[in-house]
This record gives sequence, structure tokens and C-alpha cells, in this order.
Amino acid sequence: KQEVTQIPAALSVPEGENLVLNCSFTDSAIYNLQWFRQDPGKGLTSLLLIQSSQREQTSGRLNASLDKSSGRSTLYIAASQPGDSATYLCAPAGANSKLTFGKGITLSVRP
Amino acid sequence: NAGVMQNPRHLVRRRGQEARLRCSPMKGHSHVYWYRQLPEEGLKFMVYLQKENIIDESGMPKERFSAEFPKEGPSILRIQQVVRGDSAAYFCASSFRLAGTNTGELFFGEGSRLTVL
Repeated sequence: KQEVTQIPAALSVPEGENLVLNCSFTDSAIYNLQWFRQDPGKGLTSLLLIQSSQREQTSGRLNASLDKSSGRSTLYIAASQPGDSATYLCAPAGANSKLTFGKGITLSVRP
Repeated sequence: NAGVMQNPRHLVRRRGQEARLRCSPMKGHSHVYWYRQLPEEGLKFMVYLQKENIIDESGMPKERFSAEFPKEGPSILRIQQVVRGDSAAYFCASSFRLAGTNTGELFFGEGSRLTVL
């Protein structure tokens, strides 16, 4: 059974800082991994999807890496902004795109 | 191209009533997933459906919960005889599966928030 851990549960940084969000998972037999953002009371916004054959994926100020064999993924956010404040969720996908979620990291970027 | 549409966004029911949650997938998507997010908990998989078929319902509670995705119309998650513990946010996601692959990117709706009094 896949288990996903994201630590720390919460993070507060000043604006402009570069930061790394970590995700670990127990079952390396995944097809891909998605990073999502969730704002309070809202749905999930897909940020990046990394296929199992890829090592990293980039979109704007975001860069996600995947080390499938060690069961780890990181989300790098460059030059953080207050608008980046949200909960970030990591979700590896098993067969049939079935996602397993961690509890997320709640990020607060202080102006 | 509209995203995944869920309704109602908020639903209040008294114990013992029925709740029906609807999900219209993104245009061209034929795979629908339902997830539940309990307060202070992560999202948990409930069920995966394709048109007219339930593919994986391993996350569905054994009683009172059912899901369908008919040939025409939205996917429905139905909860009978609701109890306070059913209070949660229910999210629907859809995906488009490329031929010959096992996975696709999931896109989520805004969720339906059920409150049971």
C-alpha cells in the first residue's frame, strides 16, 4: 500500500526566498507523480506532472524532480511570492492513474 | 474548454437524508475519479469510473455509498442515510488516457462540501 509523507507540515518564509518542498513515498512502482496546489476552500490545481521515466519537469518558477528508486520527489519554488501561499500536495500515481496523496505542506510567504 | 464541474458546491443534509453529488468531466475526458477530504486529513481515493463501468471501488465504504457514470450525463456520487461522519469535501477528477498508456494527468474540480447536521 502506497504511503506518502510530506514534511514539514507547515513552512513560513520571507518573500523572495528560494525553497524546496519534500515528498517521500514507499512504493517506487509508480507511473507518474503530480504536484498540486490547494488554496483554502478550493479545489486542486495541477502544477507539474513528472512521468516515471523523467528526472525533472519545469514550469515557470517551479521545478519538480523525481528519484523513483529512492521514493522521493522535490518541488523547488524560485523567488517565492505571497501569492504562492497555499497547501502543496504530492501524489504519486499507481495503475489507472490512481493517486495517493500526502497531507500536504502549508506554505506561507510573508511580504 | 471548461474544467471539471462539480455541483452543488455546498450541500447541507440532516442525518438520515440522501446526498447526491454531481461531476461533469472535462470535455473529451472519459475517466472519472472521486476523492474525499475529511477535516485535517489528506485526500483519500474512493472510486474510479469509466463510462457505464466501475473500474476500481476499493476506497468506497461498503454501505450507503454508490457511484455511477452513465453513458449520458454527469457522474453521480450518492450517499444514502448520511451520518455526521460523512461531512467532508468530495472532489471529482477527470483524465484523458492516451491509447496504449496506463495513466494520464488528473484535473480536479472545486469540490462539493457536504455538511451533515
